[in-house]
Amino acid sequence: EAGVAQSPRYKIIEKRQSVAFWCNPISGHATLYWYQQILGQGPKLLIQFQNNGVVDDSQLPKDRFSAERLKGVDSTLKIQPAKLEDSAVYLCASSSPIDRGKGANDYEQYFGPGTRLTVT
Amino acid sequence: AQKVTQAQTEISVVEKEDVTLDCVYETRDTTYYLFWYKQPPSGELVFLIRRNSFDEQNEISGRYSWNFQKSTSSFNFTITASQVVDSAVYFCALSYNNAGNMLTFGGGTRLMVKP
Repeated sequence: EAGVAQSPRYKIIEKRQSVAFWCNPISGHATLYWYQQILGQGPKLLIQFQNNGVVDDSQLPKDRFSAERLKGVDSTLKIQPAKLEDSAVYLCASSSPIDRGKGANDYEQYFGPGTRLTVT
Repeated sequence: AQKVTQAQTEISVVEKEDVTLDCVYETRDTTYYLFWYKQPPSGELVFLIRRNSFDEQNEISGRYSWNFQKSTSSFNFTITASQVVDSAVYFCALSYNNAGNMLTFGGGTRLMVKP
């Protein structure tokens, strides 16, 4: 089974430029997550999709960050305009129910390799 | 508010030593899930274990074992007979939303196993 795919793996941009990241989840996974991982810290959830709807985007800086999952499969995360503090690894994860008889919290998340963004 | 604390930022051991990584969490929920993930130098997070708040049984998987103690809000991870391949950053995480599986991660512990 193919894992979560992300591209590009690395991106360097200047502040105030725009950038977009792409994620292709594991086939059949309904839930997709974007995390931001600043160097030396744990990942922080930015947004969660269930199919093509947003479940939670409370930690997404909406003045500059946007994300979409139009057909409930692939997703893109965009930053416009970028700031120096946006330098981080952006991780995408997907999940699917392990046991449909249990609650939503039994979903296991599978992570992609991440996109390392450097803003200069 | 949910919070996960991994007080050890970096641990260095010699191969074959046992090592325990500490994790302390805070939550007001009575139902929650705890996780450990491994992040090797390649960067990809690898799932290790998930425990729910109603199951305090310790778990062993090969050289890995986990000690969940609700009374102290801790979920510690022990590697027995460590190997160089265990070198990585290890994250403890807590799920907090009953509508999904959104994770709050700790700051991570970097484990270096020297030959």
